[in-house]
Amino acid sequence: KQEVTQIPAALSVPEGENLVLNCSFTDSAIYNLQWFRQDPGKGLTSLLLIQSSQREQTSGRLNASLDKSSGRSTLYIAASQPGDSATYLCAGQGTYKYIFGTGTRLKVLA
Amino acid sequence: NAGVMQNPRHLVRRRGQEARLRCSPMKGHSHVYWYRQLPEEGLKFMVYLQKENIIDESGMPKERFSAEFPKEGPSILRIQQVVRGDSAAYFCASSRQPGQDHSPLHFGNGTRLTVT
Repeated sequence: KQEVTQIPAALSVPEGENLVLNCSFTDSAIYNLQWFRQDPGKGLTSLLLIQSSQREQTSGRLNASLDKSSGRSTLYIAASQPGDSATYLCAGQGTYKYIFGTGTRLKVLA
Repeated sequence: NAGVMQNPRHLVRRRGQEARLRCSPMKGHSHVYWYRQLPEEGLKFMVYLQKENIIDESGMPKERFSAEFPKEGPSILRIQQVVRGDSAAYFCASSRQPGQDHSPLHFGNGTRLTVT
């Protein structure tokens, strides 16, 4: 049974810092690993999708990596901004369904 | 190109009433997922459907909850005889062919159910 864990649960950093969010999963037989952002009271916005054949994806200041052998993914945010404040969720896709971690609540202080 | 559409955005029901939540997947998507999010918790898988078929309902409570995705029209998550513990945000997501590359999950904005 796939379990997804995210560390840390909460993070508070000053504006401009680079930061890393961690995601670990127990079953390495995943197809895709997807990172999402959720603002309070809102839905989920897809940030990056790493396919099973890839090791990383980049979009702007975001970079996500995937190491299936160790069961880990990281989301790197460069030069953080107050607008990055949100909850970040990772989800691993098995045969068809995505299993979500509990998220990292990020606060970037101006 | 409309995204995943869920309605209503907010739904208030008294204990014992029925709640019907609707989800129209993205254009070209025939796979629908329902997730529930309790306050301060992560997303919990409820059910996965394809057109006219329930593929996996392992996350659905055994009683009072049902889901469908008919040939025509939106997917419906139905909760009968609601109780206060059903209060949560219910999210729908859709994808193309899961289990393959290039099949990201797209979410709707959710329906926030409050049971009074």
